[in-house]
Amino acid sequence: GIQVEQSPPDLILQEGANSTLRCNFSDSVNNLQWFHQNPWGQLINLFYIPSGTKQNGRLSATTVATERYSLLYISSSQTTDSGVYFCAAPDTGRRALTFGSGTRLQVQP
Amino acid sequence: NAGVTQTPKFRILKIGQSMTLQCAQDMNHNYMYWYRQDPGMGLKLIYYSVGAGITDKGEVPNGYNVSRSTTEDFPLRLELAAPSQTSVYFCASSWVVGNPNYGYTFGSGTRLTVV
Repeated sequence: GIQVEQSPPDLILQEGANSTLRCNFSDSVNNLQWFHQNPWGQLINLFYIPSGTKQNGRLSATTVATERYSLLYISSSQTTDSGVYFCAAPDTGRRALTFGSGTRLQVQP
Repeated sequence: NAGVTQTPKFRILKIGQSMTLQCAQDMNHNYMYWYRQDPGMGLKLIYYSVGAGITDKGEVPNGYNVSRSTTEDFPLRLELAAPSQTSVYFCASSWVVGNPNYGYTFGSGTRLTVV
């Protein structure tokens, strides 16, 4: 099945800083999603971005499908951005998403 | 609009006991999934279903069973619980629009401890 790798595994920022999270995937995909898991464990879908760039407030995502990677940008980070960010891509053998191991982000005041 | 509802939220089981984790969605999604998340790790797919009466194994199905008799419900059964099944279990649903697996909606999770 598809391999999804994320970097960095951990990230500590001061409030107001910018950051870039990376997701590499092993196969061509027609579907790439980013999720945020807040400190209480809730998983929220951030972006559905199989290619190109999308923006939602201070967050934006870019997927370069031909080079098999996606980036999540967080600008002017806030403490509420803390949590774990996952990217996920469809498994080529199953009709379900395969998740990366996540980037754990801590934004300090 | 409830979305995906999981029950119970917490449970402690003794080794060898059995239980069913409940999952229900009210969005008429045809796809439903069960994932487990071990501490500090990503999500691993246990089972999934593409519609009522159709289920298939994921990456880590051993020790679990599922059924899908209705579009709304997708229960996960643990038989003979083992400490290795201590984890947080997430149910999710989605609908197919062009590309598959669009718009996952997750439940709030069930934290299971086997002692």
